[in-house]
Amino acid sequence: AQKVTQAQTEISVVEKEDVTLDCVYETRDTTYYLFWYKQPPSGELVFLIRRNSFDEQNEISGRYSWNFQKSTSSFNFTITASQVVDSAVYFCALSRLTGANNLFFGTGTRLTVIP
Amino acid sequence: DSGVTQTPKHLITATGQRVTLRCSPRSGDLSVYWYQQSLDQGLQFLIQYYNGEERAKGNILERFSAQQFPDLHSELNLSSLELGDSALYFCASSPRAYESYGYTFGSGTRLTVV
Repeated sequence: AQKVTQAQTEISVVEKEDVTLDCVYETRDTTYYLFWYKQPPSGELVFLIRRNSFDEQNEISGRYSWNFQKSTSSFNFTITASQVVDSAVYFCALSRLTGANNLFFGTGTRLTVIP
Repeated sequence: DSGVTQTPKHLITATGQRVTLRCSPRSGDLSVYWYQQSLDQGLQFLIQYYNGEERAKGNILERFSAQQFPDLHSELNLSSLELGDSALYFCASSPRAYESYGYTFGSGTRLTVV
């Protein structure tokens, strides 16, 4: 069975602080995809990143970075120098590489960036 | 604009009624997925169609059904609605059935049951 845990329900930071959102996953598959999505107050799901389990290289995109550690089944997301526009709910998700490819979502972390 | 179109954006209806949510996938995508986001259950997968055929089923209630038409648009039918069915319903599409590359979500339909 696939499971994604986001233990942080809500996080508040002051603008320009760095913040890390944690994601821990469970799967018996040896190959899988991991995702992060952003859901701003407007409600849509905005794709941020997809990571193949083959590739443990960390990734940086502007102020965003992702740390994938297969040994600890974690895929953490860091926002550097946070901005008010980063305020949203962030979801981590998992999908299988073979078979049904629906996404299994965590419960989300609500990030509030205070100006 | 993600290319996945969901209509209507908002829907308010009474308990016991039936509604239909519509999704047009991104051009070229053959696979359509439906997800429900509720306060109780979070974001959960309901059902997937690929090129007109049901491919995978998640936690979809028997009161709910879906189909994908020859033009690849999909409809999610919700019947005998209960207050607990109030949720944001997302449609997503992808090019193939077994590949999550290019997985794209629509902006959702917010259903309120009163």
